[in-house]
Amino acid sequence: GENVEQHPSTLSVQEGDSAVIKCTYSDSASNYFPWYKQELGKGPQLIIDIRSNVGEKKDQRIAVTLNKTAKHFSLHITETQPEDSAVYFCAALRDTNAGKSTFGDGTTLTVKP
Amino acid sequence: GAGVSQTPSNKVTEKGKYVELRCDPISGHTALYWYRQSLGQGPEFLIYFQGTGAADDSGLPNDRFFAVRPEGSVSTLKIQRTERGDSAVYLCASSLNAGQETQYFGPGTRLLVL
Repeated sequence: GENVEQHPSTLSVQEGDSAVIKCTYSDSASNYFPWYKQELGKGPQLIIDIRSNVGEKKDQRIAVTLNKTAKHFSLHITETQPEDSAVYFCAALRDTNAGKSTFGDGTTLTVKP
Repeated sequence: GAGVSQTPSNKVTEKGKYVELRCDPISGHTALYWYRQSLGQGPEFLIYFQGTGAADDSGLPNDRFFAVRPEGSVSTLKIQRTERGDSAVYLCASSLNAGQETQYFGPGTRLLVL
């Protein structure tokens, strides 16, 4: 089955700096890669996703890149703000296993004011 | 509009007891998912429904776990003979259809087995 590894497990940055979180996956058939933000006591919330037919996607301060050959994808947050502090999860999914997402173990991001 | 809701928000039970966890998906969403999240880990897939049927239950850890969605809307996750190792947050999500669709998560039910 699919295995997703996420690094780093914790990340601390100064407000205004950039943050990068990386994930690798094992199943070359995976073709959909969502990123979630989870705040304390809440369920994960989708913040951005990327499909295998594109290499990069951007939404304001958030961007995701995908390298299918190397089987890794990354989340980039620019101009970080204290409200970006949360746990971030990457996930991988393939259409033939529709619905069965495999998640990484999360990155705790702390943005210091 | 209303998001995914889960009840109860917290459940404390004793080892060996039976528990039911409820999930109300977003209206009109045909796909519903159950995940389990242990402390410091990502959500772990348990089962997902497309309509009333369980399309993939390969994540259920053993036969003490069972889930139903009789009318294609509300779902109940049932755990028999609970064990301390079942303690976790149980998350429910729904999406318009299965596959490459945004999954909307509920706040979870925090289960503690004493």
